[in-house]
Amino acid sequence: GAVVSQHPSRVICKSGTSVKIECRSLDFQATTMFWYRQFPKKSLMLMATSNEGSKATYEQGVEKDKFLINHASLTLSTLTVTSAHPEDSSFYICSARDSRTGQQNEQFFGPGTRLTVL
Amino acid sequence: GNSVTQMEGPVTLSEEAFLTINCTYTATGYPSLFWYVQYPGEGLQLLLKATKADDKGSNKGFEATYRKETTSFHLEKGSVQVSDSAVYFCALSAPNTGGFKTIFGAGTRLFVKA
Repeated sequence: GAVVSQHPSRVICKSGTSVKIECRSLDFQATTMFWYRQFPKKSLMLMATSNEGSKATYEQGVEKDKFLINHASLTLSTLTVTSAHPEDSSFYICSARDSRTGQQNEQFFGPGTRLTVL
Repeated sequence: GNSVTQMEGPVTLSEEAFLTINCTYTATGYPSLFWYVQYPGEGLQLLLKATKADDKGSNKGFEATYRKETTSFHLEKGSVQVSDSAVYFCALSAPNTGGFKTIFGAGTRLFVKA
Protein backbone atom coordinates (compact mmCIF):
# COMPACT_ATOMS: atom_id res chain seq x y z
CA GLY A 1 0.00 0.00 0.00
CA ALA A 2 0.89 3.67 -0.23
CA VAL A 3 3.38 4.89 2.36
CA VAL A 4 3.59 8.33 3.91
CA SER A 5 6.52 9.35 6.09
CA GLN A 6 6.99 12.23 8.48
CA HIS A 7 10.16 13.77 9.80
CA PRO A 8 11.01 14.24 12.54
CA SER A 9 9.01 11.80 14.61
CA ARG A 10 9.68 13.79 17.77
CA VAL A 11 10.98 17.28 18.34
CA ILE A 12 11.56 19.35 21.43
CA CYS A 13 12.18 23.05 21.02
CA LYS A 14 12.40 26.21 23.05
CA SER A 15 9.61 28.73 23.14
CA GLY A 16 9.95 31.31 20.39
CA THR A 17 11.74 29.11 17.90
CA SER A 18 10.32 27.73 14.65
CA VAL A 19 9.96 24.07 13.81
CA LYS A 20 9.56 22.48 10.38
CA ILE A 21 7.82 19.13 9.91
CA GLU A 22 8.08 17.25 6.63
CA CYS A 23 5.48 14.96 5.10
CA ARG A 24 6.49 12.77 2.17
CA SER A 25 4.60 10.33 -0.02
CA LEU A 26 7.19 7.64 -0.66
CA ASP A 27 5.78 5.61 -3.51
CA PHE A 28 3.08 7.77 -5.04
CA GLN A 29 2.35 11.32 -6.09
CA ALA A 30 0.04 13.43 -4.00
CA THR A 31 -1.39 16.66 -5.33
CA THR A 32 -3.31 17.01 -2.07
CA MET A 33 -2.02 16.53 1.45
CA PHE A 34 -3.72 17.27 4.74
CA TRP A 35 -2.36 18.41 8.09
CA TYR A 36 -4.08 17.41 11.31
CA ARG A 37 -3.49 18.18 14.94
CA GLN A 38 -4.36 15.75 17.69
CA PHE A 39 -4.58 16.68 21.35
CA PRO A 40 -4.09 13.99 24.01
CA LYS A 41 -6.92 11.48 24.00
CA LYS A 42 -8.79 13.52 21.41
CA SER A 43 -9.74 13.12 17.79
CA LEU A 44 -7.95 14.60 14.82
CA MET A 45 -8.59 18.23 13.97
CA LEU A 46 -8.04 19.18 10.34
CA MET A 47 -5.80 22.23 10.20
CA ALA A 48 -5.35 22.75 6.48
CA THR A 49 -5.44 21.22 3.04
CA SER A 50 -2.17 21.48 1.16
CA ASN A 51 -2.31 21.65 -2.63
CA GLU A 52 0.78 21.21 -4.76
CA GLY A 53 1.80 24.43 -6.43
CA SER A 54 -0.79 26.62 -4.75
CA LYS A 55 -1.65 28.13 -1.41
CA ALA A 56 -2.96 25.94 1.35
CA THR A 57 -6.56 26.15 2.45
CA TYR A 58 -6.84 26.64 6.20
CA GLU A 59 -9.72 25.58 8.39
CA GLN A 60 -11.56 28.18 10.40
CA GLY A 61 -9.68 29.21 13.50
CA VAL A 62 -6.26 28.06 12.30
CA GLU A 63 -3.72 30.88 12.10
CA LYS A 64 -2.15 31.00 8.67
CA ASP A 65 0.85 33.00 9.82
CA LYS A 66 1.43 30.64 12.71
CA PHE A 67 1.28 27.41 10.75
CA LEU A 68 3.01 27.87 7.41
CA ILE A 69 2.38 25.18 4.82
CA ASN A 70 4.39 24.64 1.67
CA HIS A 71 3.62 21.94 -0.91
CA ALA A 72 6.40 22.48 -3.40
CA SER A 73 6.42 19.07 -5.06
CA LEU A 74 4.12 16.14 -5.66
CA THR A 75 5.76 14.16 -2.89
CA LEU A 76 6.52 16.72 -0.19
CA SER A 77 4.55 19.07 2.02
CA THR A 78 6.00 20.94 4.98
CA LEU A 79 4.38 22.46 8.04
CA THR A 80 6.34 25.14 9.87
CA VAL A 81 5.21 26.12 13.34
CA THR A 82 6.51 29.66 13.71
CA SER A 83 7.45 31.21 17.04
CA ALA A 84 6.30 28.13 18.85
CA HIS A 85 4.82 28.33 22.34
CA PRO A 86 3.94 25.62 24.85
CA GLU A 87 0.30 25.63 23.74
CA ASP A 88 1.49 24.49 20.29
CA SER A 89 2.70 21.25 21.82
CA SER A 90 0.74 18.48 20.16
CA PHE A 91 0.81 15.47 17.86
CA TYR A 92 0.78 16.58 14.22
CA ILE A 93 -0.29 14.08 11.58
CA CYS A 94 -0.25 14.46 7.82
CA SER A 95 -2.09 12.46 5.19
CA ALA A 96 -1.99 12.28 1.41
CA ARG A 97 -4.15 11.22 -1.50
CA ASP A 98 -2.75 9.25 -4.40
CA SER A 99 -3.27 11.45 -7.46
CA ARG A 100 -3.16 8.55 -9.90
CA THR A 101 -6.05 6.54 -8.57
CA GLY A 102 -9.71 7.38 -8.86
CA GLN A 103 -10.16 6.91 -5.12
CA GLN A 104 -10.41 10.55 -4.25
CA ASN A 105 -11.91 9.73 -0.88
CA GLU A 106 -9.08 7.65 0.57
CA GLN A 107 -6.16 9.09 2.47
CA PHE A 108 -2.91 7.54 3.64
CA PHE A 109 -1.60 8.76 6.97
CA GLY A 110 1.88 9.46 8.19
CA PRO A 111 3.10 8.17 11.56
CA GLY A 112 2.83 11.58 13.20
CA THR A 113 5.24 14.08 14.76
CA ARG A 114 5.15 14.83 18.45
CA LEU A 115 6.09 18.45 19.13
CA THR A 116 6.97 19.58 22.63
CA VAL A 117 7.62 23.27 23.20
CA LEU A 118 9.39 24.10 26.45
CA GLY B 1 -23.22 19.61 8.04
CA ASN B 2 -21.61 16.22 7.91
CA SER B 3 -20.69 14.57 11.18
CA VAL B 4 -19.71 11.29 12.80
CA THR B 5 -20.77 10.11 16.23
CA GLN B 6 -19.22 7.10 17.90
CA MET B 7 -19.66 5.56 21.30
CA GLU B 8 -17.59 6.99 24.09
CA GLY B 9 -14.94 4.90 25.68
CA PRO B 10 -12.98 3.53 27.12
CA VAL B 11 -14.21 0.05 26.37
CA THR B 12 -12.60 -2.65 28.48
CA LEU B 13 -12.96 -6.29 27.46
CA SER B 14 -11.40 -9.59 28.35
CA GLU B 15 -9.51 -11.51 25.68
CA GLU B 16 -11.78 -13.45 23.32
CA ALA B 17 -14.81 -11.29 24.13
CA PHE B 18 -17.08 -9.91 21.41
CA LEU B 19 -16.52 -6.30 20.43
CA THR B 20 -18.98 -3.74 19.12
CA ILE B 21 -18.17 -0.07 18.69
CA ASN B 22 -21.14 1.92 17.48
CA CYS B 23 -20.81 4.61 14.83
CA THR B 24 -23.52 6.71 13.21
CA TYR B 25 -23.15 9.47 10.70
CA THR B 26 -24.91 12.44 9.20
CA ALA B 27 -24.14 13.31 5.62
CA THR B 28 -25.69 14.64 2.46
CA GLY B 29 -25.04 12.60 -0.61
CA TYR B 30 -23.35 9.22 -0.48
CA PRO B 31 -20.28 9.18 1.74
CA SER B 32 -17.61 6.56 1.98
CA LEU B 33 -17.14 5.21 5.48
CA PHE B 34 -13.94 4.16 7.21
CA TRP B 35 -12.60 2.72 10.42
CA TYR B 36 -9.08 3.72 11.38
CA VAL B 37 -6.98 2.34 14.23
CA GLN B 38 -4.31 4.20 16.17
CA TYR B 39 -1.84 2.31 18.34
CA PRO B 40 -0.09 4.20 21.15
CA GLY B 41 2.33 6.81 19.86
CA GLU B 42 1.60 6.09 16.23
CA GLY B 43 -0.34 7.58 13.35
CA LEU B 44 -3.57 6.24 11.91
CA GLN B 45 -3.90 3.03 9.95
CA LEU B 46 -6.85 2.24 7.75
CA LEU B 47 -8.61 -0.79 9.22
CA LEU B 48 -11.48 -1.19 6.77
CA LYS B 49 -13.78 0.77 4.53
CA ALA B 50 -17.08 0.64 2.64
CA THR B 51 -18.01 2.87 -0.25
CA LYS B 52 -21.71 2.18 -0.79
CA ALA B 53 -24.80 0.99 1.01
CA ASP B 54 -24.81 -2.65 2.17
CA ASP B 55 -21.07 -3.01 1.54
CA LYS B 56 -19.23 -4.88 4.27
CA GLY B 57 -15.67 -3.92 5.02
CA SER B 58 -13.50 -6.49 6.75
CA ASN B 59 -9.89 -6.87 7.86
CA LYS B 60 -8.02 -8.76 10.60
CA GLY B 61 -11.26 -10.22 11.94
CA PHE B 62 -12.97 -6.84 12.17
CA GLU B 63 -16.13 -6.14 10.18
CA ALA B 64 -18.47 -3.21 9.57
CA THR B 65 -21.50 -2.95 7.32
CA TYR B 66 -22.62 0.27 5.65
CA ARG B 67 -26.26 0.68 6.70
CA LYS B 68 -27.83 3.58 4.90
CA GLU B 69 -31.26 3.06 6.43
CA THR B 70 -29.87 3.53 9.94
CA THR B 71 -26.92 5.71 8.89
CA SER B 72 -24.61 3.43 10.82
CA PHE B 73 -21.26 1.69 10.39
CA HIS B 74 -20.74 -0.28 13.59
CA LEU B 75 -17.41 -2.04 14.08
CA GLU B 76 -17.48 -5.66 15.29
CA LYS B 77 -15.02 -8.41 16.08
CA GLY B 78 -15.94 -11.83 17.31
CA SER B 79 -12.94 -12.46 19.54
CA VAL B 80 -10.63 -9.65 20.58
CA GLN B 81 -6.97 -10.05 21.49
CA VAL B 82 -4.73 -8.03 23.76
CA SER B 83 -2.99 -6.72 20.65
CA ASP B 84 -6.26 -5.08 19.57
CA SER B 85 -5.90 -2.52 22.35
CA ALA B 86 -5.87 0.82 20.57
CA VAL B 87 -8.03 3.81 19.70
CA TYR B 88 -10.55 3.30 16.91
CA PHE B 89 -11.85 6.16 14.80
CA CYS B 90 -14.92 6.06 12.60
CA ALA B 91 -14.75 8.48 9.68
CA LEU B 92 -16.54 9.57 6.55
CA SER B 93 -15.49 11.19 3.34
CA ALA B 94 -17.95 12.75 0.95
CA PRO B 95 -17.65 14.93 -2.12
CA ASN B 96 -19.64 17.77 -0.62
CA THR B 97 -17.45 18.24 2.42
CA GLY B 98 -15.12 20.48 0.49
CA GLY B 99 -13.02 18.35 -1.76
CA PHE B 100 -13.28 15.00 -0.04
CA LYS B 101 -12.10 16.06 3.38
CA THR B 102 -12.38 13.31 5.96
CA ILE B 103 -14.44 13.88 9.09
CA PHE B 104 -13.51 11.82 12.13
CA GLY B 105 -15.47 10.71 15.11
CA ALA B 106 -14.10 11.35 18.58
CA GLY B 107 -12.43 7.97 18.82
CA THR B 108 -13.08 5.02 21.12
CA ARG B 109 -10.28 3.64 23.24
CA LEU B 110 -10.29 -0.14 23.62
CA PHE B 111 -8.47 -2.00 26.38
CA VAL B 112 -8.28 -5.77 26.13
CA LYS B 113 -7.20 -7.65 29.26
CA ALA B 114 -5.45 -11.01 29.17
